[in-house]
Amino acid sequence: GESVGLHLPTLSVQEGDNSIINCAYSNSASDYFIWYKQESGKGPQFIIDIRSNMDKRQGQRVTVLLNKTVKHLSLQIAATQPGDSAVYFCAENLNTGNQFYFGTGTSLTVIP
Amino acid sequence: DAGVIQSPRHEVTEMGQEVTLRCKPISGHDYLFWYRQTMMRGLELLIYFNNNVPIDDSGMPEDRFSAKMPNASFSTLKIQPSEPRDSAVYFCASSATWGGPQLFFGEGSRLTVL
Repeated sequence: GESVGLHLPTLSVQEGDNSIINCAYSNSASDYFIWYKQESGKGPQFIIDIRSNMDKRQGQRVTVLLNKTVKHLSLQIAATQPGDSAVYFCAENLNTGNQFYFGTGTSLTVIP
Repeated sequence: DAGVIQSPRHEVTEMGQEVTLRCKPISGHDYLFWYRQTMMRGLELLIYFNNNVPIDDSGMPEDRFSAKMPNASFSTLKIQPSEPRDSAVYFCASSATWGGPQLFFGEGSRLTVL
C-alpha cells in the first residue's frame, strides 16, 4: 500500500497548551482521512475525519486541516489535557473497499 | 453496543505452537479487518472481509497465517506454526458500508511467542 508517514514520533506539551500533530501522505488519490487516538493497552479510537473536498473540519477541541497540494494532514488539539496523552495515528482511505493505511504514529505526552 | 470483541486479550505460547485469535465484529457491520501492530512496522493490514468473503489478503505475511469468517458475527486469525517474530498486538476492526468507511477497533490480542 501507499506509505503514510508522521513527521514527529514524539511530542511533549504543557497542560493547557495547544498541540499540533502532523502527517504526510503519499497517495494523491486518497479521498478520506481519519485521525485515531490510541491509549496504552487499547485499540485505536476515532477522533475526527475529513474528506478530500474539504480543507478544514472542527470537532470538540480538535481541528483537522488538510492540504492536498502538499499532501499534508494535521491534527490540532486545543487546551491539551492529561487525558490527551496517547499515540495519534493518521489513516488514509483510497475509497477502494473501506481499506485504510495507517501512519507510524506520534506519541503525545501532556505535562501537568 | 458491545463494540468489537476480541479474544484472548493476551496469549503467550512457545515457538511452533498453533495460535488462534478470535473476533466478533459489531452487529450489522459488513466489513471486517485484521491488523497487526508492532513498534517497528506500526499498524499493518493483514486481511479484510466483505460480507464474510476475503477481499484482500495481500498483507498476510506467510502461509503460516490464515483467516476465516464462517459467518457475519465471527472471524478467526490462525498462525501455525508460530514464530517469535509473530509477537505483536493483533487488532480486529469492523465497519459498515452504510456508515461510511470509519473503522471500529477491538481492544486487541497481545501475542508473545517464546
